[in-house]
Amino acid sequence: KQEVTQIPAALSVPEGENLVLNCSFTDSAIYNLQWFRQDPGKGLTSLLLIQSSQREQTSGRLNASLDKSSGRSTLYIAASQPGDSATYLCAVSNDYKLSFGAGTTVTVRA
Amino acid sequence: EADIYQTPRYLVIGTGKKITLECSQTMGHDKMYWYQQDPGMELHLIHYSYGVNSTEKGDLSSESTVSRIRTEHFPLTLESARPSHTSQYLCASSRTTGSGNTIYFGEGSWLTVV
Repeated sequence: KQEVTQIPAALSVPEGENLVLNCSFTDSAIYNLQWFRQDPGKGLTSLLLIQSSQREQTSGRLNASLDKSSGRSTLYIAASQPGDSATYLCAVSNDYKLSFGAGTTVTVRA
Repeated sequence: EADIYQTPRYLVIGTGKKITLECSQTMGHDKMYWYQQDPGMELHLIHYSYGVNSTEKGDLSSESTVSRIRTEHFPLTLESARPSHTSQYLCASSRTTGSGNTIYFGEGSWLTVV
């Protein structure tokens, strides 16, 4: 059974600081890994998808890396803004389904 | 922007009542999913569907049932709600392409059983 762990569980930083969010998974036989953002009381928004054959993906201020052999992914958010405050979830895909971590709740202080 | 819709968004019902949570997507996705999420906790897959007339139970045991009579519609039903069913229910859909199976979520249905 795939286990996904996200560290830290919560993070508070001043505006402008770079954010580093970590995700680890136990079964390296994955199809892909996705990072999501969840705002309070809302659904999930997909941020980045990394195929198992890829090492990283970038979108604007977001960069996600994947090291499948060690079962790790890192999401970097450059120059954080108060609007980045949310919970960030990592999910790995084994065939049809996603296994989610519990998320990292980020607060960016103005 | 994802075109996946859930109704109702918020619902408070009494114990023993029957409830159906609706989920519709207009993207023509073949795969649809229901996840359950308690506040601050992980998402757990409770049902999924590969296509019309195809439904399977997920990892988390659930007393709910689903149906997939049309591609765009994937309702979830609780025949007799209990307080332990109080949670957020998230519907999602995806289509596998060469660039991967990005999954899109609805905004969720918050269910409270009193």
